[in-house]
Amino acid sequence: DAGITQSPRYKITETGRQVTLMCHQTWSHSYMFWYRQDLGHGLRLIYYSAAADITDKGEVPDGYVVSRSKTENFPLTLESATRSQTSVYFCASKRGLAEETQYFGPGTRLLVL
Amino acid sequence: QQQVKQSPQSLIVQKGGISIINCAYENTAFDYFPWYQQFPGKGPALLIAIRPDVSEKKEGRFTISFNKSAKQFSLHIMDSQPGDSATYFCAASAETSGSRLTFGEGTQLTVNP
Repeated sequence: DAGITQSPRYKITETGRQVTLMCHQTWSHSYMFWYRQDLGHGLRLIYYSAAADITDKGEVPDGYVVSRSKTENFPLTLESATRSQTSVYFCASKRGLAEETQYFGPGTRLLVL
Repeated sequence: QQQVKQSPQSLIVQKGGISIINCAYENTAFDYFPWYQQFPGKGPALLIAIRPDVSEKKEGRFTISFNKSAKQFSLHIMDSQPGDSATYFCAASAETSGSRLTFGEGTQLTVNP
């Protein structure tokens, strides 16, 4: 009963490198979300997905790419990392459109040097 | 554009006191207002939520007060305990936008013993 997991939990990378953050949920929830958390900004939505193969941009999508080939996985890729992408990234899921509660993963702390 | 404004940014309360966190929103289409609680190193978790058809919702020591005309809502924590020390986020969503959550900036609450 893992719920929602994220990997890695911590990552250090360099400017210009590609990095992928993984998110996996065991509930078969339809919706999945990626947020970044920065001091003074709260949680900002990067991308979300309503189902496999359906994704849409959130508030701050620039510099990020997502895919969702399987319901349970929702990876987030930084194609060419920048220092401004240093942040804590949270994945979340919810059962469906009518279900309001989002369940968050433990987060990935990313440092871009 | 920050659609949900939260204050204060930080709050220190003595054990047994009342903690009050306020949020204001702009989008009149918002129809769901949750509060999330986040402990250090963890992802946010739903604490309590309200819909605009009621002005108050209470769950144990936690109460949401909602003022539709003023477009404001607040979280009251009665008899605050050191274990309540966490970061609290208000949020809002609208069914018309796929129930995507817009978060406030967060309030770091410290309850001193």
